[in-house]
Amino acid sequence: NAGVTQTPKFQVLKTGQSMTLQCAQDMNHEYMSWYRQDPGMGLRLIHYSVGAGITDQGEVPNGYNVSRSTTEDFPLRLLSAAPSQTSVYFCASSRTGMNTEAFFGQGTRLTVV
Amino acid sequence: TQLLEQSPQFLSIQEGENLTVYCNSSSVFSSLQWYRQEPGEGPVLLVTVVTGGEVKKLKRLTFQFGDARKDSSLHITAAQPGDTGLYLCAGEAGNMLTFGGGTRLMVKP
Repeated sequence: NAGVTQTPKFQVLKTGQSMTLQCAQDMNHEYMSWYRQDPGMGLRLIHYSVGAGITDQGEVPNGYNVSRSTTEDFPLRLLSAAPSQTSVYFCASSRTGMNTEAFFGQGTRLTVV
Repeated sequence: TQLLEQSPQFLSIQEGENLTVYCNSSSVFSSLQWYRQEPGEGPVLLVTVVTGGEVKKLKRLTFQFGDARKDSSLHITAAQPGDTGLYLCAGEAGNMLTFGGGTRLMVKP
């Protein structure tokens, strides 16, 4: 079972460059989300989606865009990368509803120089 | 923003010792989840507690949800080197899962 697949695993960007972090899940989950993890700060929610065509902002949405055209895919776009966006990014999916388990990808380690 | 504070941030103990990790908030959550994360991997769910006062056991791990559903604790009995990792609590409210800052546990043989 593939579960949640994130690509790439590692990426180095120059300040001002743009890129898209890919996330795909094969569990037919309606809910998908993006987090960033910085040392000592746990995971902070960037954006989330409760279903295809629906997205919403989390705690730290500035500098990031998302779209959800299909149930399976939830890409995260950095339009103009900044050093403050250096972090490890995790995508997660879960069934909608209360008390459901979030399944995480293996993460993308992004460095902006 | 609903904040979850975990303590301690770091814990280094000897094999066989007991430990407790705390997760506190001023907000009420509909459920509280505990995850464990290994280096280079995403978090993996250990348990979900839903009812105020609920206690769940998973082998040597005991999880408790506070009566007011604002706090939780994780107790490990007779810790083993295999318990080493980052432990994260996460509170569910609405459509959002809010994570604490994590407790990094190292169990020395």
